[in-house]
Amino acid sequence: DGGITQSPKYLFRKEGQNVTLSCEQNLNHDAMYWYRQDPGQGLRLIYYSQIVNDFQKGDIAEGYSVSREKKESFPLTVTSAQKNPTAFYLCASSILGTENTEAFFGQGTRLTVV
Amino acid sequence: AQKITQTQPGMFVQEKEAVTLDCTYDTSDPSYGLFWYKQPSSGEMIFLIYQGSYDQQNATEGRYSLNFQKARKSANLVISASQLGDSAMYFCAMRPMDTGRRALTFGSGTRLQVQP
Repeated sequence: DGGITQSPKYLFRKEGQNVTLSCEQNLNHDAMYWYRQDPGQGLRLIYYSQIVNDFQKGDIAEGYSVSREKKESFPLTVTSAQKNPTAFYLCASSILGTENTEAFFGQGTRLTVV
Repeated sequence: AQKITQTQPGMFVQEKEAVTLDCTYDTSDPSYGLFWYKQPSSGEMIFLIYQGSYDQQNATEGRYSLNFQKARKSANLVISASQLGDSAMYFCAMRPMDTGRRALTFGSGTRLQVQP
């Protein structure tokens, strides 16, 4: 079945550590996105990529980094510079077009700083 | 820049009744799409319905319909015949269709609770 796979589902990080969240899609979508969700709030865009080897900062990119070496993969690294990383992280993908092209989401990764 | 406003943090509805979830938006893009997503407690985002800015008719998908009023910049979601399984967070979102950043911009969400 086609879809988006995020791993791990739960992740614990010590202060000062970098951690990488995985996102893989087999939908052949050009565009991929990372969102952050804090409790009781909406999704905020961290980074997005519309083509391999290219990505753009979203609204809250500070303290995060990404890469897009393959069309299928868009990993997110939460660096030690991110002061408040505890949140729910959602990865999404979509085709690029002018018609109805909804984004498909993964199951999310819940990151907790311990 | 785009902005989505959902003014209802929480809503209650009796089972089998209809409910309207409000969404207003602001954008300078001439062409855009409006989306509604459902987020159950498990966390995944489920696409419900889409409305294009140039669509003449309101979108419908089963029990979901979108009341689109372009002049008022509103895109309210109507759920008919509510079911207990409809209890979840609901998010309104939009993105430009033609140029620039294609990522969705989300509102803060409305938590819907369906009561038996």
